[in-house]
Amino acid sequence: GAVVSQHPSWVICKSGTSVKIECRSLDFQATTMFWYRQFPKQSLMLMATSNEGSKATYEQGVEKDKFLINHASLTLSTLTVTSAHPEDSSFYICSARSGLSDTQYFGPGTRLTVL
Amino acid sequence: AQKVTQAQTEISVVEKEDVTLDCVYETRDTTYYLFWYKQPPSGELVFLIRRNSFDEQNEISGRYSWNFQKSTSSFNFTITASQVVDSAVYFCALSDYGGYNKLIFGAGTRLAVHP
Repeated sequence: GAVVSQHPSWVICKSGTSVKIECRSLDFQATTMFWYRQFPKQSLMLMATSNEGSKATYEQGVEKDKFLINHASLTLSTLTVTSAHPEDSSFYICSARSGLSDTQYFGPGTRLTVL
Repeated sequence: AQKVTQAQTEISVVEKEDVTLDCVYETRDTTYYLFWYKQPPSGELVFLIRRNSFDEQNEISGRYSWNFQKSTSSFNFTITASQVVDSAVYFCALSDYGGYNKLIFGAGTRLAVHP
């Protein structure tokens, strides 16, 4: 139980394009989903917290117009990196928790490379 | 402010050695959660354990054991008889209790187990 998937697992795009990453909870309903960013050999940095049906809450320093988050259902959240630039290249990881649990379960991550 | 410190950046051991990963945390909350996650080279974070702040019992799961000491704000993780498959980055994390459970991660400890 508590499986979270992400798609795609890796993506390469050109500078200036937008990329959408999907995060799905496969066997539970995720009332809250989180998006993290991880640079090589560094820890995870929380970008935003999203609750189903409401606007995401972004951490300080994260541009909400650049990183669009939609949590349209209890099993799906999406992160769209708009007008991507090489500095947006990173490993993006989502996590999800149900209302019955205080534990976050993580997806396998998406490696984004912007050329 | 909440903070998690993992002072050991990298640890290298030979198979079958015991190894302890240290975690020290800071929080003003009286109730909170502590977690350990494992991140193997594949990148996916694997949940290992969650501990409530009001439960100071140590826990053992197979070769893994955890020592929670509220008096010293530490939550250390010991792997007994380490194996090559234990090679990974291990993250200690702290979250609030009853809220959104945002995770504050430590910097991580990279464990290399050599045959």
